[in-house]
Amino acid sequence: AQSVSQHNHHVILSEAASLELGCNYSYGGTVNLFWYVQYPGQHLQLLLKYFSGDPLVKGIKGFEAEFIKSKFSFNLRKPSVQWSDTAEYFCAVKETNAGGTSYGKLTFGQGTILTVHP
Amino acid sequence: NAGVTQTPKFRVLKTGQSMTLLCAQDMNHEYMYWYRQDPGMGLRLIHYSVGEGTTAKGEVPDGYNVSRLKKQNFLLGLESAAPSQTSVYFCASSYLTDRVYPIYEQYFGPGTRLTVT
Repeated sequence: AQSVSQHNHHVILSEAASLELGCNYSYGGTVNLFWYVQYPGQHLQLLLKYFSGDPLVKGIKGFEAEFIKSKFSFNLRKPSVQWSDTAEYFCAVKETNAGGTSYGKLTFGQGTILTVHP
Repeated sequence: NAGVTQTPKFRVLKTGQSMTLLCAQDMNHEYMYWYRQDPGMGLRLIHYSVGEGTTAKGEVPDGYNVSRLKKQNFLLGLESAAPSQTSVYFCASSYLTDRVYPIYEQYFGPGTRLTVT
């Protein structure tokens, strides 16, 4: 079965620091990749997604992620974090196959809690 | 559009009690999913549905049942609640944009926090 691993459970940064959150997955075939963010007390929101093409994907709020197929990785980055980025971040992967038989099922990583101090 | 809504937002049950969580979406999405979120474990898929009248098991289906009688609603039932089912439950929906190269994007509801004592 496919698995998704997020390296850090809790990351603590000061404002203006740079951020990189790691995500690795186990599936060797074609995948769709997502990063979701969950702000305190809120539901999951899509931050960015990769389907094909340019492996460097830009999302909302200044976030970006790079898909490195050879490393099975999809790390999330932001050059300068803000206090408002405090949230839990989830990497998710969906296998792709012709005909849509995976039905959009996502496999999530364990989540990384980001705390940004002002 | 309200998007994906969940009812109730909070619930406390005693062991052995039953309850139903309701998920509704107004985006005419074909696919709907129920996840549970536990600390340090991310989100795990309980059951999903690919259309009205169809359901399938996900990663952690034991102790739960689901029904999709109407396209816009997806119900999650706990017949006999156990403390291990204390969790936050999220519903999501998505649609298929391309049948040759399947592309989906899931939209999540606000969650239901369930405590079983």
